Amino acid sequence: NAGVTQTPKFRVLKTGQSMTLLCAQDMNHEYMYWYRQDPGMGLRLIHYSVGEGTTAKGEVPDGYNVSRLKKQNFLLGLESAAPSQTSVYFCASRGGGNEQFFGPGTRLTVL
Amino acid sequence: DQQVKQNSPSLSVQEGRISILNCDYTNSMFDYFLWYKKYPAEGPTFLISISSIKDKNEDGRFTVFLNKSAKHLSLHIVPSQPGDSAVYFCAVTGTGTYKYIFGTGTRLKVLA
Repeated sequence: NAGVTQTPKFRVLKTGQSMTLLCAQDMNHEYMYWYRQDPGMGLRLIHYSVGEGTTAKGEVPDGYNVSRLKKQNFLLGLESAAPSQTSVYFCASRGGGNEQFFGPGTRLTVL
Repeated sequence: DQQVKQNSPSLSVQEGRISILNCDYTNSMFDYFLWYKKYPAEGPTFLISISSIKDKNEDGRFTVFLNKSAKHLSLHIVPSQPGDSAVYFCAVTGTGTYKYIFGTGTRLKVLA
């Protein structure tokens, strides 16, 4: 099992450009999450999903959109990137237990 | 306002000694608590957890203690090893919510 994978690993964008981050899990987990990690701020929840076709806002959702068309995939979109969105993005999934399984992260820089 | 605080950004410990990492939370509705470990350029990995019905949970060298009245949990690592050097995050959640709140992390350095 690959667990949780994220694509791409690194990306540099210019202000105003758009992009989509892909998260995939092969553990048949219902719940999926997108976090961002910034220095001194820990992990902050952007959006999450409790099942295929459902999404909900987390702590810092502004400027991001998500979709969960397939159970195994959770996409995070930036429609018009801003320098404040420079961060490391982590996807996580959770099954029946309480622990989350994290992907390796995507390092995004917005110039 | 931070609901989960890890007040020590960093901690250095000699190999073989005990490492104690602390976490404070504000909301008594939280009833499940987790610790994650993160190495550079990797995602966090689950380490150990505890529910509010317990005050202690052990897994090998790792023990988590929960003091509900003080809204405080701690992670003890005994004995500490150089491979334990990482950033440790505490996380909390509550029954009926799907969300987790993470602390800001403590960077542990175990000196050989």
